[in-house]
Order: sequence, then C-alpha cells, then structure tokens
Amino acid sequence: GAGVSQSPRYKVAKRGQDVALRCDPISGHVSLFWYQQALGQGPEFLTYFQNEAQLDKSGLPSDRFFAERPEGSVSTLKIQRTQQEDSAVYLCASSRSYRATNEKLFFGSGTQLSVL
Amino acid sequence: KNEVEQSPQNLTAQEGEFITINCSYSVGISALHWLQQHPGGGIVSLFMLSSGKKKHGRLIATINIQEKHSSLHITASHPRDSAVYICAVRSPRLTFGEGTQLTVNP
Repeated sequence: GAGVSQSPRYKVAKRGQDVALRCDPISGHVSLFWYQQALGQGPEFLTYFQNEAQLDKSGLPSDRFFAERPEGSVSTLKIQRTQQEDSAVYLCASSRSYRATNEKLFFGSGTQLSVL
Repeated sequence: KNEVEQSPQNLTAQEGEFITINCSYSVGISALHWLQQHPGGGIVSLFMLSSGKKKHGRLIATINIQEKHSSLHITASHPRDSAVYICAVRSPRLTFGEGTQLTVNP
C-alpha cells in the first residue's frame, strides 16, 4: 500500500473485553514498531519487530498485551481483559530496514481505543 | 529522568518569528528523528539525523552527538506550523520525548 495502514481507526470496548488492533506496514518494510500514546503525552514504546522476530517487547505494560507478526508483514497487537487505563491511541510505524542510517519512519494514523 | 527531554513544553509565537525547539537525550543513539503531530494523531516524519544539519524549506534541524543535543528551528513561522513537534531517538528502539506544543498566532 501507499502508507502504513491501521485498523480499526476507532475501537470502543467494554472493560474486560479482548481487542485486536491491526497494522499493515508498507510492503517490504523490515522494521515495525508499536507505540501507546495517552492523551496529551508523547508516544511510549511498546514493542519492536524485525521481520517476524520480536526483538524488543520491554515496553508492553503487562502480560495482557501481546503482539505478533507471524509472516513478517502484518502485525496484530492484542489486549486481553481490557482495563480503563488501556484507553489510548495505539500507533504503528515501519521503516525499510533495520539499519537506522538514511532511514525514514512512516507512521499509521493510529487506533484510538476507548475502554468503558 | 526521561531518556529524551524536550524544551519548551509549550511555545506560543507570532507569525514570522524564528522558533527553536530543543531536545536532549541521555542514551547512545544511531539516529534522531523530528516528527510533527497534528490534532487527530497523524504523525509526519520531518527529519532523520545522525550528524550535522539538515534543511527542508523553512525547517532546519541540527544535532551535536558529543553533547547529545538536537534543535529544530522554524524560520518565518506561520499559523499552519501550529502542531506538536516530537523528538525521538533510535537505539534501535524508538524513544520519544513528550513533545512541544507550538502555537503560531497570526
């Protein structure tokens, strides 16, 4: 696709419900990042994939959060038993390679999750 | 202490003013990004720096690796520059600053 695509754009969940957020990176992009952005805050790192390998998941706030990228392209962020504090915008970004130099980041529009 | 700190948090300017936003970081990095975020969440990458200086239109970004500091400058600011500007460092995970809310009044 032309850019990083995230779906759904908005998600309202009842407390305790499981949700799945999808990120479709630019075709061929190796690196994929997930971030959580609370209202009025900067994004906070959640996890990082290089192809299908999850190289860093140190930002996942609890074991209710799980991310996967089984074929090295589309990634899914799953949140189990959602809590109100999970309400945030979840951003996905991708870049062409694992090398940081001469590399631009491309962001999706985010999924705004509201847990009631 | 955050790994990435930006200043100021909020900045209000009059149209035409020269603007500087600063970013300091405490970790070793391979690159630094300046990002622009408009209301509604859309994030656009402005610059990626690993050394020196880059210029794009009215925007200039500089980085001093030894001092672990970067600045984003906007010359001849315009109301359409109003947005949140975010500094992020790559190590290789991406760590963001809190952002600087810029408002440019006509």
